Amino acid sequence: DTGVSQDPRHKITKRGQNVTFRCDPISEHNRLYWYRQTLGQGPEFLTYFQNEAQLEKSRLLSDRFSAERPKGSFSTLEIQRTEQGDSAMYLCASSLGTLAMWNEQYFGPGTRLTVT
Amino acid sequence: AQKVTQAQTEISVVEKEDVTLDCVYETRDTTYYLFWYKQPPSGELVFLIRRNSFDEQNEISGRYSWNFQKSTSSFNFTITASQVVDSAVYFCALSEATAGGGNKLTFGTGTQLKVEL
Repeated sequence: DTGVSQDPRHKITKRGQNVTFRCDPISEHNRLYWYRQTLGQGPEFLTYFQNEAQLEKSRLLSDRFSAERPKGSFSTLEIQRTEQGDSAMYLCASSLGTLAMWNEQYFGPGTRLTVT
Repeated sequence: AQKVTQAQTEISVVEKEDVTLDCVYETRDTTYYLFWYKQPPSGELVFLIRRNSFDEQNEISGRYSWNFQKSTSSFNFTITASQVVDSAVYFCALSEATAGGGNKLTFGTGTQLKVEL
């Protein structure tokens, strides 16, 4: 399987705990995106990496959220001191970077987080 | 700010009917890109099509067709002779440039399509 993979697929945690998700993009893709999707809504942009550099963060990404892409390959998204409002599907996407804006993003299956 | 509106929350059709999913967008950019994605019950978003703002030519791919009209800021999606396997949530998205040349997507709220026998 050469698509985008995410781990874990499901995570249940208690409020106040820290969680970390992993995303492995398509191997030749240098751009990686994180989105959050709540029930009945479309995905919302969280952050973007080009290689290992985090180039943009949404205002949705509070200081409890941190993302890394240490070697320009896989990425992790950590949420500290989780709150019930963090319950959502966290989606990772990757694309091949060129100067063009139109490169389609390929999405992983998502990590569904439930905070109890 | 960019915005995508999908006014149809849910559509139900009987198999073999044609169905059109509406998408209206707002942007101040002169160059932009539009996308449609499909999200089946399994949850993974599947890319269907992209269209840039300079190309208003309609596109057909099998049973799928797309109608892009810049004058009305619409990018509608039609499925001809729908099938049960078409049942999914369909999202329209608008591309916005990010720092460093990437593009972040602004999604609509999606249209749930149910195709019944």
